[in-house]
Amino acid sequence: EVQLVESGGGLVQPGGSLRLSCAASGFTFNNYAMSWVRQAPGKGLEWVSGISGSGGSTFYADRVKGRFTISRDNSKNTLYLQMNSLRAEDTAVYYCAKARGGIVGSTPGDYWGQGTLVTVSS
Amino acid sequence: QSALTQPASVSGSPGQSITISCTGTSSDVGSYNLVSWYQHHPGKAPKFMIYEGTERPSGVSNRFSGSKSGNTASLTISGLQAEDEADYYCCSYAGRSTWVFGGGTKLTVL
Repeated sequence: EVQLVESGGGLVQPGGSLRLSCAASGFTFNNYAMSWVRQAPGKGLEWVSGISGSGGSTFYADRVKGRFTISRDNSKNTLYLQMNSLRAEDTAVYYCAKARGGIVGSTPGDYWGQGTLVTVSS
Repeated sequence: QSALTQPASVSGSPGQSITISCTGTSSDVGSYNLVSWYQHHPGKAPKFMIYEGTERPSGVSNRFSGSKSGNTASLTISGLQAEDEADYYCCSYAGRSTWVFGGGTKLTVL
């Protein structure tokens, strides 16, 4: 059974940093691309970033480019999102989502985690 | 990377059919056969319902079907059931290994 469990969310001040983790199990982790998708309060889903199965290719939405860094440790079956220079508009539930294939161009989200809440506020 | 356009809400009675539209541009929906749909009950993990425009993952009811014409994709749910009440999101490949979601549609089963 595929399981994705996010952690690392919390309250952080504007301009601060936070690192999210997503522990994966139930599939061969390094065979699949992964994405982070977020949902701000009362808003829709927003794709944030994706990484290939090997970790060699990473991609970002314009709104987070230069501030967020996606990475993965295939030896630990874990996905990460390092978030720097956080803004109030980054407040959201952050989900990790498994893709159907190994490249970021593969459809994301055939499996999702339950999400972790990030609140950016002073 | 503008969000795809979905109606904010749709409704239907049990047993009826409803269709949710998802309008993008020639840079996303219109250019790729890579539209997917997700069902989201608030507080839970989204569920994968349709991929590549028309394909259903294993385990998804055949009451759910997808289609696409030009820059608009659609999700049709036939034989509406109470448990179908949820938020529904479309998603399209937008080129350069990026993806864009729709704003979401709240389905109410009357």
